[in-house]
Amino acid sequence: SQTIHQWPATLVQPVGSPLSLECTVEGTSNPNLYWYRQAAGRGLQLLFYSVGIGQISSEVPQNLSASRPQDRQFILSSKKLLLSDSGFYLCAWSVSYSYEQYFGPGTRLTVT
Amino acid sequence: GIQVEQSPPDLILQEGANSTLRCNFSDSVNNLQWFHQNPWGQLINLFYIPSGTKQNGRLSATTVATERYSLLYISSSQTTDSGVYFCAPGGSQGNLIFGKGTKLSVKP
Repeated sequence: SQTIHQWPATLVQPVGSPLSLECTVEGTSNPNLYWYRQAAGRGLQLLFYSVGIGQISSEVPQNLSASRPQDRQFILSSKKLLLSDSGFYLCAWSVSYSYEQYFGPGTRLTVT
Repeated sequence: GIQVEQSPPDLILQEGANSTLRCNFSDSVNNLQWFHQNPWGQLINLFYIPSGTKQNGRLSATTVATERYSLLYISSSQTTDSGVYFCAPGGSQGNLIFGKGTKLSVKP
């Protein structure tokens, strides 16, 4: 069966520091991968999605970037964090021929 | 882009009661999912339902794509049903557009 991992689970970082969040999927090949962010008390907003290695589409201009160095690995990065980057970051996957998405456990980021 | 409205925003139920959550969306969609977000933030898939009706135990969902709405029914509610319920129709790229959710509290 397929599983999705995210780490770290929680993170507290100072303003101006770099960021790297990792997401990996097991049990499937060539998945579509997604990064979403949830601000406190709000719904989720899509940040990036990828249909293959090195293929990244950005939905919202921001201080963040994404990379997909391997088929089942998706990384969210920032060179310098802002206070507004705080939130709950969730990674999701779907099989390439389906729209149904499955979410990881998330990373709670607090920028101080 | 697609606009999503969920109602009611908040709902308090006594254990054992039934409820209906509604999701309206502004454009035709290729997919629609319902999720339950538990107190730890985990998003749990409830239904993948771009059209038609599905049932899973005490939960069922109906999507009328031509009229651009979906309904989630919860019967005989339990305290473990508490949390936030999200409706998320899909955009043309397969991305999900989330509503603001319905916060459900089930009292014992």
